[in-house]
Amino acid sequence: SQQGEEDPQALSIQEGENATMNCSYKTSINNLQWYRQNSGRGLVHLILIRSNEREKHSGRLRVTLDTSKKSSSLLITASRAADTASYFCATDPRYYKLTFGKGTLLTVNP
Amino acid sequence: DVKVTQSSRYLVKRTGEKVFLECVQDMDHENMFWYRQDPGLGLRLIYFSYDVKMKEKGDIPEGYSVSREKKERFSLILESASTNQTSMYLCASSFSDRGHSSEQFFGPGTRLTVL
Repeated sequence: SQQGEEDPQALSIQEGENATMNCSYKTSINNLQWYRQNSGRGLVHLILIRSNEREKHSGRLRVTLDTSKKSSSLLITASRAADTASYFCATDPRYYKLTFGKGTLLTVNP
Repeated sequence: DVKVTQSSRYLVKRTGEKVFLECVQDMDHENMFWYRQDPGLGLRLIYFSYDVKMKEKGDIPEGYSVSREKKERFSLILESASTNQTSMYLCASSFSDRGHSSEQFFGPGTRLTVL
């Protein structure tokens, strides 16, 4: 069963613009993670935010977590064509097992 | 450089065949996972293993079994392949973080087609 759900399903922007993706989930979590997948390849971990954290940064990535609303957002600033990929949030409703959403397909046009 | 490798990138099998998908990690991780990924359905967990010879069913274990005889290797077995098992299969591994989830490292995936 899907725990996290990303929104929007697809997003198309111009290079240099910011991209924001959202994730909502249903049950309590220990942490929430974001992953990227380039076309036809395996997933790459981007960032992990713990349930007691509200915001985390990694390079051009900024993740927020609101446990009261059971939601998270991923902001990519100054996007590049190489950021074109699918982005997934993953939550851990049960110890080390992750449940992934269906992803947001981000297209960055040069 | 951490690495998860999968035995094949592309595989074509016939209905009824027994299929083995192999995954090897070189990070000494305790946990290993098998997912399948289908358009519109996202990633779904088939099985995972938290220790050698230990396994637990995921969300969609029907039609699959697994084997973990060594810490670094986790095999997914399709006992009798069917066309609805045509999919992208992804293996992942992670270390144990005091019972919490941690970053998962993924292999490149195996695209399996069952004819």
